[in-house]
Amino acid sequence: GNSVTQMEGPVTLSEEAFLTINCTYTATGYPSLFWYVQYPGEGLQLLLKATKADDKGSNKGFEATYRKETTSFHLEKGSVQVSDSAVYFCAINNNAGNMLTFGGGTRLMVKP
Amino acid sequence: NAGVMQNPRHLVRRRGQEARLRCSPMKGHSHVYWYRQLPEEGLKFMVYLQKENIIDESGMPKERFSAEFPKEGPSILRIQQVVRGDSAAYFCASSRGGSNEKLFFGSGTQLSVL
Repeated sequence: GNSVTQMEGPVTLSEEAFLTINCTYTATGYPSLFWYVQYPGEGLQLLLKATKADDKGSNKGFEATYRKETTSFHLEKGSVQVSDSAVYFCAINNNAGNMLTFGGGTRLMVKP
Repeated sequence: NAGVMQNPRHLVRRRGQEARLRCSPMKGHSHVYWYRQLPEEGLKFMVYLQKENIIDESGMPKERFSAEFPKEGPSILRIQQVVRGDSAAYFCASSRGGSNEKLFFGSGTQLSVL
């Protein structure tokens, strides 16, 4: 079955630091890849996605590239802000529909 | 356009009681998904429903858990005879279609079993 592994948190950074959150996956076929963000007390929001190899998803300064050869989808941001503090989840879907398999989540804390 | 609405936001039950969690999908969405998030873990898929039908319940525990999505009204996740291990955040998501559609998540129901 599908599985997603992402780096454990918490990740603590100073404002304007560079962010990388690693994510690797195992899947059959050609899944789509997603990053979701969960702010305190809220549900998950889609941050970005990529649907095929070498696609780059980007949103709000975050980006991630679908790397089929390394089965990875690492999340990056060049300069984080305090408002980026949240839990970030990497996810993949199956080929047939919308059921998502999530990683364990990575808590990001950005200090001013 | 209201998003996915879940209620209650917090639910406290004693062991052996029943818990009923409600989810109203976004307007125009007929596909509903339930996920469970245990403390310090990621979300685990439980069940996928389309109006009046269970499409995939491969993530649902075989005992005590059931879900429905009637023709009228919200989707209901029902947990009978709750135990402490059921304490978790339960999230509902909805989509317009069943394939390659964006999922919209509710804010979740935090179930605490005393």
